[in-house]
Amino acid sequence: ETGVTQTPRHLVMGMTNKKSLKCEQHLGHNAMYWYKQSAKKPLELMFVYSLEERVENNSVPSRFSPECPNSSHLFLHLHTLQPEDSALYLCASKYSTTNTGELFFGEGSRLTVL
Amino acid sequence: GQSLEQPSEVTAVEGAIVQINCTYQTSGFYGLSWYQQHDGGAPTFLSYNALDGLEETGRFSSFLSRSDSYGYLLLQELQMKDSASYFCAVRGRGISSGSARQLTFGSGTQLTVLP
Repeated sequence: ETGVTQTPRHLVMGMTNKKSLKCEQHLGHNAMYWYKQSAKKPLELMFVYSLEERVENNSVPSRFSPECPNSSHLFLHLHTLQPEDSALYLCASKYSTTNTGELFFGEGSRLTVL
Repeated sequence: GQSLEQPSEVTAVEGAIVQINCTYQTSGFYGLSWYQQHDGGAPTFLSYNALDGLEETGRFSSFLSRSDSYGYLLLQELQMKDSASYFCAVRGRGISSGSARQLTFGSGTQLTVLP
């Protein structure tokens, strides 16, 4: 138990579906992140929400839409995805002022797009 | 931009010592982190080096040379449970032009510990 909970753990969807991934952290952190993990590739930072700013990776397609209603919850809304979007989506959190390079990750949501 | 290179696979036997190297290129360097990830699990933080030298935490040590843009993770007295993927990550400017300093990860090194 890392203190960061992601649901669902597994998701299979068609290209025309709309679904959402949810992340909740119980650590009192104020910065949250979405990363994409594909096999044999580096973790790719998708979005950052913190007190200071919201950051978007410009290479992330618009079919991925983040939402951060408060400092404990983070969503990733998915629509009209492509098969190449199949991956493990990891949520992470930390205190925005922490400078130790430490992120607390959830176990991820394994997404399969048919 | 930022990029990191680390070996894709390393194999060693129980009780041995293994070193996983990481070289990086980055604009704005603030530190090098190491993470461990077991199959199906969350990446977990192992260590962080902001300054040159060796940091030791139990059986694991991490080294940084900023002048060489190089670091390594040293695992001693290997155990079967150490079989996992190990990622180095650079804390730098990342994808933002602002002040936020984010982690950029390498592709990971799959460590297999044999009996």
